[in-house]
Amino acid sequence: AQSVTQLGSHVSVSEGALVLLRCNYSSSVPPYLFWYVQYPNQGLQLLLKYTSAATLVKGINGFEAEFKKSETSFHLTKPSAHMSDAAEYFCAVNTGRRALTFGSGTRLQVQP
Amino acid sequence: GEEVAQTPKHLVRGEGQKAKLYCAPIKGHSYVFWYQQVLKNEFKFLISFQNENVFDETGMPKERFSAKCLPNSPCSLEIQATKLEDSAVYFCASSQPGQESYEQYFGPGTRLTVT
Repeated sequence: AQSVTQLGSHVSVSEGALVLLRCNYSSSVPPYLFWYVQYPNQGLQLLLKYTSAATLVKGINGFEAEFKKSETSFHLTKPSAHMSDAAEYFCAVNTGRRALTFGSGTRLQVQP
Repeated sequence: GEEVAQTPKHLVRGEGQKAKLYCAPIKGHSYVFWYQQVLKNEFKFLISFQNENVFDETGMPKERFSAKCLPNSPCSLEIQATKLEDSAVYFCASSQPGQESYEQYFGPGTRLTVT
């Protein structure tokens, strides 16, 4: 069984500030972890993925995430927020060919 | 194609009517997944296919929902006798065999409104 918990349904930052979106997972086998972004009325776009090759993963748009097995976490960060980063972010886990299990999402607001 | 295509973009049905949604996976991708997103944040897995074979249907409400992936045709998700609670955005995703992480690529979704 697997699950994902995203702490904070809403996060608000100022433009240029650090973005930190939290994700904790639970999995009985080594997981694959993903962050997706969803802009209003659009589908999901893959930001980055963890596949056990490296614990620090860099993705698109300046985002990165660090896999910490001891903390069962996969938090998403970006050093400097941009207005265009405002969206809904989803953390997800799977264990291979199986369906993704999603967290409940975090809405990121970026204030000018 | 290079993107997952879903049609129609919007679908409105009266309660009790049938709804049929279509998905064309990325060319070469042999896994197809259907998800239902309700309340803009909760994703529920419905069913997955490996080529034309059902791979996992544990999330499928079997009484009214059915799905197919036939060779040389878009995959389809059909809801018989829709209910108000079926109002949601339905996403299709596909993935490519051999990728270590089986990352899934999502289509733009079909918004179903049941009135």
